[in-house]
Formats: sequence, structure tokens, C-alpha cells
Amino acid sequence: DGGITQSPKYLFRKEGQNVTLSCEQNLNHDAMYWYRQDPGQGLRLIYYSQIVNDFQKGDIAEGYSVSREKKESFPLTVTSAQKNPTAFYLCASTYASGTVKFFGPGTRLTVL
Amino acid sequence: GQQLNQSPQSMFIQEGEDVSMNCTSSSIFNTWLWYKQDPGEGPVLLIALYKAGELTSNGRLTAQFGITRKDSFLNISASIPSDVGIYFCAGHYNQGGKLIFGQGTELSVKP
Repeated sequence: DGGITQSPKYLFRKEGQNVTLSCEQNLNHDAMYWYRQDPGQGLRLIYYSQIVNDFQKGDIAEGYSVSREKKESFPLTVTSAQKNPTAFYLCASTYASGTVKFFGPGTRLTVL
Repeated sequence: GQQLNQSPQSMFIQEGEDVSMNCTSSSIFNTWLWYKQDPGEGPVLLIALYKAGELTSNGRLTAQFGITRKDSFLNISASIPSDVGIYFCAGHYNQGGKLIFGQGTELSVKP
């Protein structure tokens, strides 16, 4: 079945540690996105990548980093520079000219 | 920048009632999308609208692309308990451009 997978589902991190969230898609989509969701708020764009080896900052990129070495994969690293990292993180993908984004199941990150 | 206002923020209704929610934008959009998010899961696309005035249904759900291109509505008829979740609108100005999300409407259905 085609889709987007995110792992792990739940992640706990101590303050000062970097952590990497995985996102993989087998939809052959060109573009991939990372969003952050906080309770009672909409989705905020962290980073996006429209082609391999290229990515752009979204609205809240500070404290995060990404890489896009393969079309299928777009991992997100939450660094210790992110002041308030506890949130629900969603990965999405779409075709290059597409408007409909398909979302993964999300990773809930909790900083202890 | 572009902003989306979604209302109401939350709704508590009885099973069987109809539901209506809407989004308004400060800018025009070329595409409106409606998503539903179950607790702890990613959003799932319900309806996509691509033309001003378009009215599209998906089962008990009906959505409309406003004539002004600055608003959209989602109606759910005869609600059932599994309709519980958060409903998001999202607007898109151009292909490949940024998708702007509303704040969400949290729906609770009492059996």
C-alpha cells in the first residue's frame, strides 16, 4: 500500500539532546513537508523540500534542521536550540504541481 | 501574510444534528481543502475544491468554495459519533505554493 510513514509514534527526549524524526513516503511524490501542531492551533510549516538535495525554511524553522538525500525520505532533526520542542509533528507530501497534501500519522515528541 | 480564520473553534452537538463550519481568508485562494484529524493521527483529506462557487459532496459532507474566493464552508448532515475530531480548512493560492491552514474546529458528538 502506498502511503507516508513516520517513526517513532512517540518520542521522549531530555533537554539538551538532539532527536531525529523519520518520514518516508512511497507515493513517488516530489515534495515533502514538516509541520508542527500545538494544542488548539493550526499546522505551522517548519521546512519543505520540492526536490532532492534542496529544501527551504518554513515559518518556524529555528531550532530545526532537515536533509533530503533521497526522494522517499525527509528526516527532521529537532536540535537543542529549539526552545519549546514538545509538540505533535506531521510530515506531508505531494506532487510537484499538486495542491493536495497527504499526511503521515505523526510523531508526538515530549521533552522531559 | 495570509491568514485563515476558522469558526467555530469548537462544537458540542447531539447525534443526528447537522453541523456547519466555515473559513474566511484575508486573501483570495485558488484551492480550498478540508481535512479531518482524529485524535493522535494525521489529517485526512475530506474534500478538495478548485473553482469559485463549486459545491462538492462526499457522503454526508458537503463543502463549498465561496464566490469571492475568500471563504469556504463545510456542512456535515446527520452527525454520528465517528464524526468526532478536528476539522481543518486549508487554502492554496498557486500550484506548488504554501498551504495555509485554519486553526481547526473541534467537533464533539454526544450519542
